[in-house]
Amino acid sequence: GEDVEQSLFLSVREGDSSVINCTYTDSSSTYLYWYKQEPGAGLQLLTYIFSNMDMKQDQRLTVLLNKKDKHLSLRIADTQTGDSAIYFCAEGYSSASKIIFGSGTRLSIRP
Amino acid sequence: EAGVTQFPSHSVIEKGQTVTLRCDPISGHDNLYWYRRVMGKEIKFLLHFVKESKQDESGMPNNRFLAERTGGTYSTLKVQPAELEDSGVYFCASSQGTSLGNEQFFGPGTRLTVL
Repeated sequence: GEDVEQSLFLSVREGDSSVINCTYTDSSSTYLYWYKQEPGAGLQLLTYIFSNMDMKQDQRLTVLLNKKDKHLSLRIADTQTGDSAIYFCAEGYSSASKIIFGSGTRLSIRP
Repeated sequence: EAGVTQFPSHSVIEKGQTVTLRCDPISGHDNLYWYRRVMGKEIKFLLHFVKESKQDESGMPNNRFLAERTGGTYSTLKVQPAELEDSGVYFCASSQGTSLGNEQFFGPGTRLTVL
């Protein structure tokens, strides 16, 4: 079945690293995504990784994929106040298929 | 270039009434998707249009929901009659569907409150 799970809340101190974790159940997914939703805005694609990759780095963002354990994580280095948002883990199967989302992790930043 | 737009941004209606949500995708995007997030839970897929055709409507909850995309441009999602459990945020997304990674561009959502 299709199920994506992630913790609901994460609080980190400004300047620290944030690590948001996600587990999924469907091993046939081709793409794993991280979307960001800021207050009052739509969902913004932050990054994605192909299911045959282990890691992807993009500036302050590092995505790690453990396909054996069906575990995906997003690390944000040097977390800033502007990183406050809800982060959604998601999976997809083809270039135009539906996306299966988790419940979202609300990241809050402490001064 | 304009992004995905949705109208209205917020709608408050009473149980039993009808509401129509509208989505304007990015110009040239053949793929249009509807999703919704209920009560802070996961964002759930509703359906997928390719141009004016329904490619996948497996996520539509019941026959009170009707989606159309006449002419393959904008889309409407009608809820008739609305029930309390329909409250949530309805997102629309569009994509070209040809690029790697299937980047779906999302609108800001319509927050629907059914009283």
